[in-house]
Amino acid sequence: AQKITQTQPGMFVQEKEAVTLDCTYDTSDQSYGLFWYKQPSSGEMIFLIYQGSYDEQNATEGRYSLNFQKARKSANLVISASQLGDSAMYFCAMRPTGFQKLVFGTGTRLLVSP
Amino acid sequence: KAGVTQTPRYLIKTRGQQVTLSCSPISGHRSVSWYQQTPGQGLQFLFEYFSETQRNKGNFPGRFSGRQFSNSRSEMNVSTLELGDSALYLCASSFVKLAGGTGELFFGEGSRLTVL
Repeated sequence: AQKITQTQPGMFVQEKEAVTLDCTYDTSDQSYGLFWYKQPSSGEMIFLIYQGSYDEQNATEGRYSLNFQKARKSANLVISASQLGDSAMYFCAMRPTGFQKLVFGTGTRLLVSP
Repeated sequence: KAGVTQTPRYLIKTRGQQVTLSCSPISGHRSVSWYQQTPGQGLQFLFEYFSETQRNKGNFPGRFSGRQFSNSRSEMNVSTLELGDSALYLCASSFVKLAGGTGELFFGEGSRLTVL
């Protein structure tokens, strides 16, 4: 069974600073995908970034990058130059290849202050 | 390109009633999955449909059911509602890649159900 652990219930960062949100996972599968989603108070889950287990390079999408350390089973999200609009819940999730079922972590609430 | 559309966005029901939620996936996406989000249990997978067939089901009672139509639109139904069914129900669609990669899942804004 897959499991995602996010140990930071809340994080605070000042605008324009970088922040790292932690995510560790547990799986016996060799092939899987790792995702990060942002959920503002409106409820919608917004896709941020994806990393495949066989991808050798860390994924990047604009200000978001995923620090993938396969041996440590970690997939931390790095947000560079935080903005006020980044304040939201952030979820790390995993999905084995071939299945459309996501296993989510408990989330980290990020608050960006001016 | 339109995103995932869920209706209704908000609804209030009483215990014992039943509810049907609708999800229209992104055009071209044939896989639709449903998730329940509650403060206590977090995000939990309900089921997934692909080409009108349920491919995967989470650990929920039989009161929770779903279906998918030929146009990929999906509905989920909860019968005999209980207070604990109050939650945000999220639908996700994806274009399933048959070879290589897993494909991103895109979510709708959710249907917020309150059971009184």
